[in-house]
Amino acid sequence: DGGITQSPKYLFRKEGQNVTLSCEQNLNHDAMYWYRQDPGQGLRLIYYSQIVNDFQKGDIAEGYSVSREKKESFPLTVTSAQKNPTAFYLCASSIANGEAFFGQGTRLTVV
Amino acid sequence: LAKTTQPISMDSYEGQEVNITCSHNNIATNDYITWYQQFPSQGPRFIIQGYKTKVTNEVASLFIPADRKSSTLSLPRVSLSDTAVYYCLVGPSQPGTYKYIFGTGTRLKVLA
Repeated sequence: DGGITQSPKYLFRKEGQNVTLSCEQNLNHDAMYWYRQDPGQGLRLIYYSQIVNDFQKGDIAEGYSVSREKKESFPLTVTSAQKNPTAFYLCASSIANGEAFFGQGTRLTVV
Repeated sequence: LAKTTQPISMDSYEGQEVNITCSHNNIATNDYITWYQQFPSQGPRFIIQGYKTKVTNEVASLFIPADRKSSTLSLPRVSLSDTAVYYCLVGPSQPGTYKYIFGTGTRLKVLA
């Protein structure tokens, strides 16, 4: 089945640790995105990539890093520099001017 | 970047038609208007997209006036399962980019 897969569904991080969230798509989409959602809030754009080996900062990129070595994959690393990482993280992909398809999300909690 | 303004929340009853309006005064010539639906702890799901006038699909209609400074999502005969957050997006803001910016959305609660 075609779609976008995020893993893990739940992730726990200790203070000072880096963690990496996985996002894979088999829709052959050029563009991929990472969003953060806090309780009761809308989605905020962290990073986006329009093509392999290229990515751009969104509105809240500080404390996050990404890579786009393959068209299918766009992992997000939450670094220790992100002071408040507890949130729901959503990955999406799209073609140009097309609808964005979202994964089921990863809920990250700092313990 | 075109910014959108929507009502924070709305209540409706089952079987009624619901209209959610979005303001986007700074919409650019090449921008499309797209609506998404999100249930708790899930990723948003595409509902409908349009550029001008009226677009209809099996779940909703989208009305866009000639000046394109606003749009209205119309959900016919809502049911309890339509309780969700609805987001209006305008973009991409620059030709050739795919940068989608979400606002805070409208929380629709459908009552029995």
